[in-house]
Amino acid sequence: LAKTTQPISMDSYEGQEVNITCSHNNIATNDYITWYQQFPSQGPRFIIQGYKTKVTNEVASLFIPADRKSSTLSLPRVSLSDTAVYYCLVGERVLTGGGNKLTFGTGTQLKVEL
Amino acid sequence: SAVISQKPSRDICQRGTSLTIQCQVDSQVTMMFWYRQQPGQSLTLIATANQGSEATYESGFVIDKFPISRPNLTFSTLTVSNMSPEDSSIYLCSVALGGQITEAFFGQGTRLTVV
Repeated sequence: LAKTTQPISMDSYEGQEVNITCSHNNIATNDYITWYQQFPSQGPRFIIQGYKTKVTNEVASLFIPADRKSSTLSLPRVSLSDTAVYYCLVGERVLTGGGNKLTFGTGTQLKVEL
Repeated sequence: SAVISQKPSRDICQRGTSLTIQCQVDSQVTMMFWYRQQPGQSLTLIATANQGSEATYESGFVIDKFPISRPNLTFSTLTVSNMSPEDSSIYLCSVALGGQITEAFFGQGTRLTVV
């Protein structure tokens, strides 16, 4: 699985847009990019997944440049409740069956303040 | 989606003893995954549990220390054997559903403290 690199931590204020960039220089052709969010004392929670260009859902947007060597998770107008660790993962998408094991990097601790 | 229930949610155990963690999923899944998250660290995969076959362990994890059972498609257990303080971690069960979006679901985790 491709190794990912993210900033260890980021600080923001309520109402601001937060962009967290992840580097994955060795991403393979079949790899997808997935972001998870983890609050203290909880398991990680899926946020968004994409392959190229831009993906948007009700929670976040994911921007992936043409070379796919990096990706940026964008959180619009963050609130205190967005304080969490955000993990970027890359790996093959499993269309059937029981899924793939996941390799978590260090993650980015996002702290949102008033 | 999948809902995962883990038991116990937390426990404090004496060194040298063993603890069995249960994971129940609300749907049938082929594979279940067990992760460990040490304090302040990221998640590390311990093993993959397939129903009807032996679990597959990652480097650094062995069956004698972390025996796993997978009796059916909705249930699995992980035992942490002969515990030491270094085993103090959060242990998480996970399943993944394939499809247009491959999404992994996690239990709330079991916070284990070994004293």
